[in-house]
Amino acid sequence: AQKVTQAQTEISVVEKEDVTLDCVYETRDTTYYLFWYKQPPSGELVFLIRRNSFDEQNEISGRYSWNFQKSTSSFNFTITASQVVDSAVYFCALSEAYEETSGSRLTFGEGTQLTVNP
Amino acid sequence: KAGVTQTPRYLIKTRGQQVTLSCSPISGHRSVSWYQQTPGQGLQFLFEYFSETQRNKGNFPGRFSGRQFSNSRSEMNVSTLELGDSALYLCASSGEGTSYNEQFFGPGTRLTVL
Repeated sequence: AQKVTQAQTEISVVEKEDVTLDCVYETRDTTYYLFWYKQPPSGELVFLIRRNSFDEQNEISGRYSWNFQKSTSSFNFTITASQVVDSAVYFCALSEAYEETSGSRLTFGEGTQLTVNP
Repeated sequence: KAGVTQTPRYLIKTRGQQVTLSCSPISGHRSVSWYQQTPGQGLQFLFEYFSETQRNKGNFPGRFSGRQFSNSRSEMNVSTLELGDSALYLCASSGEGTSYNEQFFGPGTRLTVL
């Protein structure tokens, strides 16, 4: 069975601080995908990043960066110089490899509510 | 390209009634998945449809059902509503093959059961 754990329920920071959101996952699959989504108050889940299990290279996109470590089953997300607009709930998710006959599904963590105060 | 659209955005029903929610995927996407989001259970997978066939199913009772039409639009139905069915229902669409796992979500339908 797959499981995603986001131990931080809520994080509050002051604007311009760096913040790291933790994500730990469990899976028996050797091929899998990891995701981060952002959910602003409007409710829509916004796709941020997808990584596959064979690519442990860290990624940076503007103020966002992701650190994937298979050895610790973690896929952490860092926002540098946070802004008020970053306030949202962030979800880490895991899915098994795509199979044409069975499709795939996302298993989500509990989410981390990030509040960035001015 | 238009995103995933869901209708209605808000819905209020009473216990025992049934409800149908609609989802139109991104043009060209043939896979549609449904998720339920509640404060207690978080985001949970309901089912996935591809080419009008249910391909994957989560652990929900038979009161929850769905279907997909030839234009890839999907509907989900909940019969005999219970208070616990109050939730945000999210629909996601995705392409095929290696791009499959990039699921793009709609704004959701917020269902309140009284």
